[in-house]
Amino acid sequence: DAGITQSPRYKITETGRQVTLMCHQTWSHSYMFWYRQDLGHGLRLIYYSAAADITDKGEVPDGYVVSRSKTENFPLTLESATRSQTSVYFCASSEELAGGPRQFFGPGTRLTVL
Amino acid sequence: SQQGEEDPQALSIQEGENATMNCSYKTSINNLQWYRQNSGRGLVHLILIRSNEREKHSGRLRVTLDTSKKSSSLLITASRAADTASYFCATDATSNTGKLIFGQGTTLQVKP
Repeated sequence: DAGITQSPRYKITETGRQVTLMCHQTWSHSYMFWYRQDLGHGLRLIYYSAAADITDKGEVPDGYVVSRSKTENFPLTLESATRSQTSVYFCASSEELAGGPRQFFGPGTRLTVL
Repeated sequence: SQQGEEDPQALSIQEGENATMNCSYKTSINNLQWYRQNSGRGLVHLILIRSNEREKHSGRLRVTLDTSKKSSSLLITASRAADTASYFCATDATSNTGKLIFGQGTTLQVKP
């Protein structure tokens, strides 16, 4: 099916463990994004990527690592998870519309760090 | 820091009433967009208004943009219970990056 998917949808892990959240899109959009959503903070950009092998930091990159070896995949890794990284994580890709970019969001991954 | 600030944070209305949400932002923009998020789901794009436009319509949605006041409003007319969701404004302040900056959202409850 075409679209943007995330896996896992739910993850519980322990402090200090490495966790990788997967994101896959079937549209071949150049731009992809990772956000975290927390009560009181809305959506905050973690990292984004303009194309394969091109990534850049967003607003809250500390503690996260991304890679983009293929256009369709954009995994997000928490190298050593902390409780403050408990959140809902959304991946998105972007399509250029007349007038500006439009983002398509995955269903989210709810991560709990114990 | 957040570019968009939305008002009110929460809104509760009866089915059939109109709902108005406001968004203020800080810097110059290329366009402003509105997204909807149903509970437990990802955001869905609703409408985009360019910086040189003042008003735009899409079905029951009406968006206005006042660049002099750096503000936008989203009006949903004749609301339905299915409109219950959170609504976010997002600003595109830079060219050719695809990046958007999202506000904190307005939670709308439409009572049947």
